[in-house]
Amino acid sequence: QITLKESGPTLVKPTQTLTLTCTFSGFSLSTSGVGVGWIRQPPGKALQWLALIFWDDEKRYSPSLKSRLTITKDTSKNQVVLTMTNMDPVDTATYYCAHSPGSWLVLDYWGQGTLVTVSS
Amino acid sequence: DIQLTQSPSFLSASVGDRVTITCRASQGISSYLAWYQQQPGKAPKLLIYAASTLESGVPSRFSGSGSGTDFTLTISSLQPEDFATYYCQQLNNYQALTFGGGTKVEIK
Repeated sequence: QITLKESGPTLVKPTQTLTLTCTFSGFSLSTSGVGVGWIRQPPGKALQWLALIFWDDEKRYSPSLKSRLTITKDTSKNQVVLTMTNMDPVDTATYYCAHSPGSWLVLDYWGQGTLVTVSS
Repeated sequence: DIQLTQSPSFLSASVGDRVTITCRASQGISSYLAWYQQQPGKAPKLLIYAASTLESGVPSRFSGSGSGTDFTLTISSLQPEDFATYYCQQLNNYQALTFGGGTKVEIK
């Protein structure tokens, strides 16, 4: 079955760069159409889509955060990495990664999420 | 960016009630819309995509409709496990796959 799990620091300081890793199993990111996305959710607030990377290395970013985000994949390790620069307390959120089957760009399997707090 | 506005943002209902949630897009998105359910402390779960196609394993009391700018999610008979927050997501714009602001469904 498809599983995803996010990992990374739970606490970062303002201005630092956040690096999160999504490690997955049950599918290959070299399969045509497949993608992995990142979504975040500040405490008590709505979901915010961040980025998506496809099997062919095509990448999409949220326009409002594009200058701060980089998404990459390591197909051999079954991992997707998201980096976000210049972290601020408003970036405190639970960060999720999710699988996209390619059709309709839906997110059909999600990781459990990881809470990242930005504080000095 | 395409904006999605959900209404209401909060609703109180009883078990057995019929519940309807609306999602309005700032521009036409054809049928490129999905609905998710999020239980407290859990990751979202895909319910519906292509505006009206039920994801495998989702109970048939959930249904979706609409196209263009106006969409609805309907729960025909609310069950205890349905008390959650619901989000729509537009799938039309490759640049930003935005989510709506959410609708929290609570027990009356």
